[in-house]
Amino acid sequence: AQKVTQAQTEISVVEKEDVTLDCVYETRDTTYYLFWYKQPPSGELVFLIRRNSFDEQNEISGRYSWNFQKSTSSFNFTITASQVVDSAVYFCALSEGSNSGYALNFGKGTSLLVTP
Amino acid sequence: SQTIHQWPATLVQPVGSPLSLECTVEGTSNPNLYWYRQAAGRGLQLLFYSVGIGQISSEVPQNLSASRPQDRQFILSSKKLLLSDSGFYLCAWSVGFNEKLFFGSGTQLSVL
Repeated sequence: AQKVTQAQTEISVVEKEDVTLDCVYETRDTTYYLFWYKQPPSGELVFLIRRNSFDEQNEISGRYSWNFQKSTSSFNFTITASQVVDSAVYFCALSEGSNSGYALNFGKGTSLLVTP
Repeated sequence: SQTIHQWPATLVQPVGSPLSLECTVEGTSNPNLYWYRQAAGRGLQLLFYSVGIGQISSEVPQNLSASRPQDRQFILSSKKLLLSDSGFYLCAWSVGFNEKLFFGSGTQLSVL
């Protein structure tokens, strides 16, 4: 069963628009960790954020912000005033205490295209 | 500082040929090591992970195998490649559990 669902396969926005990437996760553990990664066209995955299940505070880093809501099992990612350089595939991931080697379980990704 | 090296960057192999992809990590000891595969248009699938030398766990039954002959070396192999083995292979490492993964630059494998 898919543990991380990114329902948006592709999103296209015009530069300077705000965009939110959705992530819904599924776990039975009380302790778990959520991540977001960015994969630009070069292919290498770039770490963006790690959040544990006990910290529901929203986080802001420059134009990036994350909204963690345990009640809806969601960890959404918002880019404010998007730029062309934000074009990439974004992955949400879950790490649980009980899974294989505590490896990250990734969603299928959301491809974001920001046009000028 | 820690770095991860993965090679080759691209590889084209005929069906039935063997495969060996290598990954090495520098600047850290006893890392957890992982092999992921990303098929075209899909997410990342965990293939293997290792928490120590000689310790390999497989997540998905397949045509591939992994080995960890040294603390910071992780090798992905196949005796006979299939068309379905094509994809983008990523090596990653972490220190401890539930920590972020650091990824290599990946190998684009095309099996023809």
